[in-house]
Amino acid sequence: GENVEQHPSTLSVQEGDSAVIKCTYSDSASNYFPWYKQELGKRPQLIIDIRSNVGEKKDQRIAVTLNKTAKHFSLHITETQPEDSAVYFCAAKREYKLSFGAGTTVTVRA
Amino acid sequence: SQTIHQWPATLVQPVGSPLSLECTVEGTSNPNLYWYRQAAGRGLQLLFYSVGIGQISSEVPQNLSASRPQDRQFILSSKKLLLSDSGFYLCAWKRTENTEAFFGQGTRLTVV
Repeated sequence: GENVEQHPSTLSVQEGDSAVIKCTYSDSASNYFPWYKQELGKRPQLIIDIRSNVGEKKDQRIAVTLNKTAKHFSLHITETQPEDSAVYFCAAKREYKLSFGAGTTVTVRA
Repeated sequence: SQTIHQWPATLVQPVGSPLSLECTVEGTSNPNLYWYRQAAGRGLQLLFYSVGIGQISSEVPQNLSASRPQDRQFILSSKKLLLSDSGFYLCAWKRTENTEAFFGQGTRLTVV
């Protein structure tokens, strides 16, 4: 089955700096890669996603890159703000199965 | 618009007692349904997923089971809870296509 690994598990950045989270997946048939943000005590919510036929996607301060050959994808947050502090999850989907990474706790220091 | 309901929000159960968590989706038909568990400080562990009525795929062998008696209803059950079953349980739905999965509010289960 699909195995999604996510690094780092915790990330502390100064406000205004960039944050990068990396994920790898094992199943080459996976074709959809969403990223979710979970604030404390709340449900995860989608922030950006990328499909396997695209190498990069950007939405304002958030961007995701996908390398299908290496089977890894990354989330980039630029100009971080205190409200970016949360747990971020990557995921990979193969057919009906949606598997998540272990999460990265991001703390933005003011 | 589509909505997902999950209840209860919190639950405290003694070891050895049964469990039933319910999740329903409104505003869509034939959704893919998922149960995840999030232990304290850990990631989202996929427990079960379902692509149709009566169709359940189990990802992690344990003392939990899932059922889908109706198209938009997904139930997580246990006959006898263990301490290790404590955690935050999330139900989610998505369409078959490569689109967003929507999560319920979650159930925080504490087994004592």
